[in-house]
Amino acid sequence: EPEVTQTPSHQVTQMGQEVILRCVPISNHLYFYWYRQILGQKVEFLVSFYNNEISEKSEIFDDQFSVERPDGSNFTLKIRSTKLEDSAMYFCASSGAGGVAYNEQFFGPGTRLTVL
Amino acid sequence: AQSVSQHNHHVILSEAASLELGCNYSYGGTVNLFWYVQYPGQHLQLLLKYLSGDPLVKGIKGFEAEFIKSKFSFNLRKPSVQWSDTAEYFCAVKHNAGNMLTFGGGTRLMVKP
Repeated sequence: EPEVTQTPSHQVTQMGQEVILRCVPISNHLYFYWYRQILGQKVEFLVSFYNNEISEKSEIFDDQFSVERPDGSNFTLKIRSTKLEDSAMYFCASSGAGGVAYNEQFFGPGTRLTVL
Repeated sequence: AQSVSQHNHHVILSEAASLELGCNYSYGGTVNLFWYVQYPGQHLQLLLKYLSGDPLVKGIKGFEAEFIKSKFSFNLRKPSVQWSDTAEYFCAVKHNAGNMLTFGGGTRLMVKP
C-alpha cells in the first residue's frame, strides 16, 4: 500500500539554525500538508500546498516557515531560524484531487524536531 | 475559529467491553468529520469519515461513528474492543470548502487483555 514517508525521523538542532524537513507524498496525490504536534498538545495545521503554491495556511505559519516542492516527488518544510518553541513532531500529509480522494489525508510517520 | 473537543483523555477498558469516545466540534457550516487512530509507534491512520449522506458511518476494524448535526457531535463506537485496539484516537473536522483539518486533543485507549 502506498504511504507517505518522512526524513529524518528525528532532527536535533541549535536555536537559530535552519532546518529542512523532508516528505515524499503518495505519488499520484496533488495536495500536500504540514501539521505539527507540540508535546502534550493538539495536532495543529500549518499549511496546505497545491499546484505549486500555498492554498491555505494557519497563523502559526509565519515568515520563518516556507514550503517547497523542489522536484516531482519531495515536499519540504523549511524553518529559517529555529526557536525553542518550534520543538514538536512535524507530520506531512497528502491527498488526491477531487471528491472522496481530496477529503482523505494520508499522514506520514512524522519528524521529531528538537531545538536546543 | 472552529474547535474540536474530545472529552475523554484516557480510557481503560477490558476486552469485549463496548467503546464510545465523544467528539464535539464548534462550527456552524458544512463540515467533513474524521476519526484517525495512531497505534503505538505508528503514524496516523484514517478509521472512518463522514462527508455527506447517511450519518452513521462504518469504518475499518469494526468501528462506526454517528454524526448528530443538532448536537455537533461525531462519537466513535465499537461494540466489543480487543487488546489490539489499544491506541490513541483523534477526531478531526474539516470545513467543506477548505483543506485544513482541525484535531481534537486525542483519547488514549488502553484495552486490558
